[in-house]
Amino acid sequence: GENVEQHPSTLSVQEGDSAVIKCTYSDSASNYFPWYKQELGKRPQLIIDIRSNVGEKKDQRIAVTLNKTAKHFSLHITETQPEDSAVYFCAASTKWGIVEAGTALIFGKGTTLSVSS
Amino acid sequence: NAGVTQTPKFQVLKTGQSMTLQCAQDMNHNSMYWYRQDPGMGLRLIYYSASEGTTDKGEVPNGYNVSRLNKREFSLRLESAAPSQTSVYFCASRSGLRNTGELFFGEGSRLTVL
Repeated sequence: GENVEQHPSTLSVQEGDSAVIKCTYSDSASNYFPWYKQELGKRPQLIIDIRSNVGEKKDQRIAVTLNKTAKHFSLHITETQPEDSAVYFCAASTKWGIVEAGTALIFGKGTTLSVSS
Repeated sequence: NAGVTQTPKFQVLKTGQSMTLQCAQDMNHNSMYWYRQDPGMGLRLIYYSASEGTTDKGEVPNGYNVSRLNKREFSLRLESAAPSQTSVYFCASRSGLRNTGELFFGEGSRLTVL
C-alpha cells in the first residue's frame, strides 16, 4: 500500500519568511496530492491540491510542486503570517482495498508550523 | 448544508466497554472514511466505504468494525475498547466518482478509554 513520508515534523519561521514542507510517496499509481491545514481543535481543511498531470500550482501565497519521477511533492508558503501557524498534512490518493473503484487518501504525519511575529 | 456530521463529540469509556461513533453526510458522496488522529502519527485510515454496500480495511483496522447503513451514514464500532484506542476520530467523505476529489471532514470525536 501507499506510504507517505513528511518532513520536517516541526518548522519555526519569522513572519514574512517562506516555509517549505516536503513529502514523498511510494505508490507510483497515486495521482492526486492534496494539502490540508488543521488549526488547533479544528478539523483538517483543504488548502491546495495538485493532480499528477500538473507540475506546479499556485494560489496566492501558497504553491505546490510535484515531481512524479522522484515521487515527491512540496508545499511552499511565502510571506508567512501568524495565522499560518497550524499543522499541515500532505496526502496521496491511491487505489486501496478490494473494491475496483475504491480509493483512499493516505496522509503524512504532519508538520507543525509556527510563525512568530 | 451541514456537510459531515459525527456524534458524539466527546466520550469517555472504560476498558472493555463498547460504543458506536455515528457519521452522516448530506453531500450525496459515494465514499466515506474513518480516520484516527494521534499526536505525531498524522491521520491514519481505519476503514472506508467506496460506495453503499461496500467496506474495506484501512491501515489500522484491528479492534474496529464499520457499517455503511445507507449512502448517507457510516458508523464505526468499538466492540471492546482498549486504552490504545484513545484518540480523536474523524469521519470524512468524498465524491468518489474520481480519484481526485476533495475529502471533507467532520468535526471529530474525542474518545478516551480508561
